[in-house]
Amino acid sequence: GAVVSQHPSWVICKSGTSVKIECRSLDFQATTMFWYRQFPKQSLMLMATSNEGSKATYEQGVEKDKFLINHASLTLSTLTVTSAHPEDSSFYICSAQSPPYGYTFGSGTRLTVV
Amino acid sequence: GQNIDQPTEMTATEGAIVQINCTYQTSGFNGLFWYQQHAGEAPTFLSYNVLDGLEEKGRFSSFLSRSKGYSYLLLKELQMKDSASYLCAVRPSGGYQKVTFGTGTKLQVIP
Repeated sequence: GAVVSQHPSWVICKSGTSVKIECRSLDFQATTMFWYRQFPKQSLMLMATSNEGSKATYEQGVEKDKFLINHASLTLSTLTVTSAHPEDSSFYICSAQSPPYGYTFGSGTRLTVV
Repeated sequence: GQNIDQPTEMTATEGAIVQINCTYQTSGFNGLFWYQQHAGEAPTFLSYNVLDGLEEKGRFSSFLSRSKGYSYLLLKELQMKDSASYLCAVRPSGGYQKVTFGTGTKLQVIP
């Protein structure tokens, strides 16, 4: 089945630094990748949609300059949290449209900003 | 806009049957998904409905009524490992095919 590899699984960083999260589709081409954030005991909130070779589309209220998304190839999308603050601590998950009609999720990245 | 409602929590007994409901209001419809998510893990795909009716897959079944904006996930022969959150997600027609998730139903299976 379709697999999306997400790294790192967890990361701790200091306030003010940047963190990059990678998602790779291993056995299919992901022309569209979705990035979600999930706070404890809450549902998945879509942050942005990235399409290979074009700019990402951000949901209302998501700062595009803070959450940089790059989708440079059909198998790789990255999310960079810039100038991280403690309130950015969350579970970040990517998802790609995968054949035949579903969505495959990465394993998630737990970010803790101290 | 889109609005998806699910019960927040449910408790059921091991070996029993439980039905988790989901109602939705969306601008256009192009499929409804059910995902299972264990605490601290990513969601895993359970089912997909795009036409009215019941889809059965082992112990799990999912039903859809598009005219009523209603779906349910039926879990039979409950096992302790079924304790998880169950997310209903709807894909609207057109656009980037992005999916909107409900708040999820946390199911606790007790002995």
